[in-house]
Amino acid sequence: DAGITQSPRYKITETGRQVTLMCHQTWSHSYMFWYRQDLGHGLRLIYYSAAADITDKGEVPDGYVVSRSKTENFPLTLESATRSQTSVYFCASSPGVGGTNTEAFFGQGTRLTVV
Amino acid sequence: AQSVTQLDSQVPVFEEAPVELRCNYSSSVSVYLFWYVQYPNQGLQLLLKYLSGSTLVKGINGFEAEFNKSQTSFHLRKPSVHISDTAEYFCAVSVSLSYNTDKLIFGTGTRLQVFP
Repeated sequence: DAGITQSPRYKITETGRQVTLMCHQTWSHSYMFWYRQDLGHGLRLIYYSAAADITDKGEVPDGYVVSRSKTENFPLTLESATRSQTSVYFCASSPGVGGTNTEAFFGQGTRLTVV
Repeated sequence: AQSVTQLDSQVPVFEEAPVELRCNYSSSVSVYLFWYVQYPNQGLQLLLKYLSGSTLVKGINGFEAEFNKSQTSFHLRKPSVHISDTAEYFCAVSVSLSYNTDKLIFGTGTRLQVFP
C-alpha cells in the first residue's frame, strides 16, 4: 500500500529493554522525521533524516537512536526504555525540497507504554 | 526562537454553529504556517497551509484560516461544523533545519468537541 506505515501500532515494554519502532514510506521522500506526542506538549521532534545515512537530532533526542540505511525506512530505537518515554510516536515524511515544501505526511502512530 | 501558542485547549460547540480555533506564533523571520487535524487513534492530516500570497487560505472539509502578520495570528475557522469535525487540531510553524529542510513546531493542540 502507498503511504507511510508504522509498526507496531501498540507496544508495551519493560523498563530497561531495547525496543525498535519501525517506519516505512513508499513515496521516496528524502526527508523523514520522528515526533513524540505528549499531553500538554503537542508534538516534539526527536530525530530527522535528510537522506539515507544522513540523520540529525531534534529537540528531544536523549535516549533514542535512529538509522537510515534505505530511503524508505527510518527505524527509531529506544536503547534502554524508561517510563518517561511512554508516549505516542509519529513518523512523518516530506519532499522538503528548497525549504518551502514542508508539508509533512504522518503515519498512524505507535502507542508505546513502558512499565 | 519560533513558537506556537494555541489559546484554547478545548472548544465545545453545537453542530451547525461557527467555530474559531485560535493560534498565535512568534517568529522573527518569514514563516510558513500549517493547521493539522488528528482524528482519534490516527495520525495527523494537513488541513491547510500558508506559504505566501493571499492571507486567506482555504483548506479541506470547509475550513479556512487567515494569516495576520501584524497580530502574528493564524486562526482557523469554519462557518458550520459537523459532528465529524470532532478531533484534535494542531497549529504549526516551520523552522529551518540543516540539510535544506524544515521542521514543524507544533502548538499543544485544541480539542474541538461538536455536540448534536
